[in-house]
Amino acid sequence: DAKTTQPPSMDCAEGRAANLPCNHSTISGNEYVYWYRQIHSQGPQYIIHGLKNNETNEMASLIITEDRKSSTLILPHATLRDTAVYYCIVQAAGNTGKLIFGQGTTLQVKP
Amino acid sequence: DAGVTQSPTHLIKTRGQQVTLRCSPKSGHDTVSWYQQALGQGPQFIFQYYEEEERQRGNFPDRFSGHQYPNYSSELNVNALLLGDSALYLCASSLTSSGSGYYNEQFFGPGTRLTVL
Repeated sequence: DAKTTQPPSMDCAEGRAANLPCNHSTISGNEYVYWYRQIHSQGPQYIIHGLKNNETNEMASLIITEDRKSSTLILPHATLRDTAVYYCIVQAAGNTGKLIFGQGTTLQVKP
Repeated sequence: DAGVTQSPTHLIKTRGQQVTLRCSPKSGHDTVSWYQQALGQGPQFIFQYYEEEERQRGNFPDRFSGHQYPNYSSELNVNALLLGDSALYLCASSLTSSGSGYYNEQFFGPGTRLTVL
């Protein structure tokens, strides 16, 4: 079973920041938080990952709480092309095995 | 770089038949994982191949089998198809790390849509 909990759906206005929450209260010390997204009819796409520090790349920012029990993915300026299902996944470092996907959050970006 | 490619894109089969799906990993990757995604659900891990052997397996019956070739490409075989096998089948490739602490980003292909009638 997935070790994360996400809201099933969210809306965001185009051009505004999209903040997607994720709860992972049972996360272990060696487990990273990964975010993937799946645009309709495509395979999932890696977005970002982090251990305990906040991370930023060209796609998004990841904010992890100090106790590491929750995190937020931030899309700073959402566009219509960011409409997708976003998955938050917890996985141990160096684990080359399976990704356990939950239901994810369907983000709808509206004009 | 072509990324991960899968064939065919769509497939229609009838119950009881057998099917083979194919995957070519991203250049430089040596590990292939297969996932099944039912409509409205997140992908479910089927198994993973590395060095031509099944390394990990999810909760899927023996009707699901696979193979990895020396060039790292992979096949997923499903025997005795059931209506419930209708799904999007995703292939993901990655590079197995030799040490700890290295995350392995997985690159997914576009999937094969299998319909069982």
